[in-house]
Amino acid sequence: EADIYQTPRYLVIGTGKKITLECSQTMGHDKMYWYQQDPGMELHLIHYSYGVNSTEKGDLSSESTVSRIRTEHFPLTLESARPSHTSQYLCASGGGGNTEAFFGQGTRLTVV
Amino acid sequence: GENVEQHPSTLSVQEGDSAVIKCTYSDSASNYFPWYKQELGKGPQLIIDIRSNVGEKKDQRIAVTLNKTAKHFSLHITETQPEDSAVYFCAASKGNQFYFGTGTSLTVIP
Repeated sequence: EADIYQTPRYLVIGTGKKITLECSQTMGHDKMYWYQQDPGMELHLIHYSYGVNSTEKGDLSSESTVSRIRTEHFPLTLESARPSHTSQYLCASGGGGNTEAFFGQGTRLTVV
Repeated sequence: GENVEQHPSTLSVQEGDSAVIKCTYSDSASNYFPWYKQELGKGPQLIIDIRSNVGEKKDQRIAVTLNKTAKHFSLHITETQPEDSAVYFCAASKGNQFYFGTGTSLTVIP
């Protein structure tokens, strides 16, 4: 079982609130990713990091921001949540080279 | 960039039958092709992967084939069981990023 953890698992929050989704891995991976998964199943890359102090935007435009101050921690922040942010957010980490990505259990966010 | 297409989007099979999911990719530099299974309420988990120097790989009831010339790869599940019901994703990678297919929802009917 992969050692990558996301909290919270479920979150219901009001419009305009600031939220941070947590993601931590204990595998020492340099590469970490955030995906947004819509109800139609498709995974959209919104942020990634190749190591400490490295963050990049993914293919899908997102109003969220990320930080990578420590190797094991890759939090995602929404400064002002909107109903359009309602989705499942999946964090993943990979060991580099052509090896698998390990996914967390996901955070299901609902903005009301 | 890479473009991965996956078909079908939904698939229903009778228990014991085989299931096949197909993916194509566009970037010939991609050299790693993992397959993930996502059960309800969980994150995707790797079930099998293949690298570009291999044409086929098998793990019990699951096999993956890769045709580099045609740029397509397929997942084969034999003797399907109800617990195989899930969403399956293919992906292509050339090192730093994973490009996922759009997913296939597989239902195995008892």
